[in-house]
Amino acid sequence: GQQVMQIPQYQHVQEGEDFTTYCNSSTTLSNIQWYKQRPGGHPVFLIQLVKSGEVKKQKRLTFQFGEAKKNSSLHITATQTTDVGTYFCAGLFISNFGNEKLTFGTGTRLTIIP
Amino acid sequence: KAGVTQTPRYLIKTRGQQVTLSCSPISGHRSVSWYQQTPGQGLQFLFEYFSETQRNKGNFPGRFSGRQFSNSRSEMNVSTLELGDSALYLCASSPDGRTANYGYTFGSGTRLTVV
Repeated sequence: GQQVMQIPQYQHVQEGEDFTTYCNSSTTLSNIQWYKQRPGGHPVFLIQLVKSGEVKKQKRLTFQFGEAKKNSSLHITATQTTDVGTYFCAGLFISNFGNEKLTFGTGTRLTIIP
Repeated sequence: KAGVTQTPRYLIKTRGQQVTLSCSPISGHRSVSWYQQTPGQGLQFLFEYFSETQRNKGNFPGRFSGRQFSNSRSEMNVSTLELGDSALYLCASSPDGRTANYGYTFGSGTRLTVV
């Protein structure tokens, strides 16, 4: 079945350092979405990338979708304590029958050392 | 507007019992998906409902079932509970069921503990 792998599993950074998480799929994705889950909270939608090679920015966050639409990355510049949480990518697969399935990556838990 | 509402927030059940969880999507949203979240397995897809029909199903045993009502509210049921069913169960809604157009809005989840 479709799998979405995400690395690293954990990342500890000093406040002010940059952070990157990577997502890889075994098959081509229709789109990729990114979510953030704060400790004790639920996933919150951040962004969706649809086009091959697409790059989107949200303040200090930069999201990229690979040319082959099989990989993606999230980069945070100059991390702040508010960035703490687990970041999930989620790949959308569409079957030949048109059924959609959003498959989540394993997540990267980011902790910030003040 | 109100978000996705899941009830109850917390639940403790005994092995062998059954449980029903409820999810009310955002008003106007017709698609509801259910996910199981555990520390070891991450977010695992259970099933998706759109206009009262199950459109997609994950790889869970038949003990896990669900349904959707005409007002888009959804319930999921787990019968013959096992210790391994302890998890956070998340419900997510989207406007038209095509996640190619929108992201999911998740509820706060139901934390199920099986003892």
